[in-house]
Amino acid sequence: AQKITQTQPGMFVQEKEAVTLDCTYDTSDQSYGLFWYKQPSSGEMIFLIYQGSYDEQNATEGRYSLNFQKARKSANLVISASQLGDSAMYFCAMREGLSGGGADGLTFGKGTHLIIQP
Amino acid sequence: NAGVTQTPKFQVLKTGQSMTLQCAQDMNHEYMSWYRQDPGMGLRLIHYSVGAGITDQGEVPNGYNVSRSTTEDFPLRLLSAAPSQTSVYFCASSYSEGRTIYFGEGSWLTVV
Repeated sequence: AQKITQTQPGMFVQEKEAVTLDCTYDTSDQSYGLFWYKQPSSGEMIFLIYQGSYDEQNATEGRYSLNFQKARKSANLVISASQLGDSAMYFCAMREGLSGGGADGLTFGKGTHLIIQP
Repeated sequence: NAGVTQTPKFQVLKTGQSMTLQCAQDMNHEYMSWYRQDPGMGLRLIHYSVGAGITDQGEVPNGYNVSRSTTEDFPLRLLSAAPSQTSVYFCASSYSEGRTIYFGEGSWLTVV
């Protein structure tokens, strides 16, 4: 079974609209972290937002927020007021093993290609 | 403050050649890792290290070798390159339980 599932291979959104990118995850760990990264066409991986499994509030970073529903194992990224520069690939990722102090690497989903249309 | 620096950015190898991808970070991070990204896929973990002298395998370790002699450096070695290793390689670093994982700019490797 996939550990990170992103069900939207591609999305087209009108500029200034809000966007929700879906991510579900699978883990038996109690302590884990969820990340979202943006990868523009230039190829670099840009960190957007992080949510820890014990964080009481949903994470927010500027126009980005994370809709964390622990019971549903869901960690959707919400981009408010989308801009043309938001066009990129977006990856959801999970880091397990945090409680043991020797965290493992990230497990990535296959990504969502977001295109913002003027 | 350079962050995570990878070299080279582009490389073409012939099948059977060996090479080393360099990764250095200046943030005193304990944790470093290497990923590969193939077309249409997310990144997959090759090897990682939780500190100098400590390394472990990730999801796709075959054909790659790593060592961690200093906190700053985490080189990835391809011992005998194969066309299946054509990919984009990313190095990353963070504190062990960091809430932010920093990536290098990527290294584009083609094996012919």
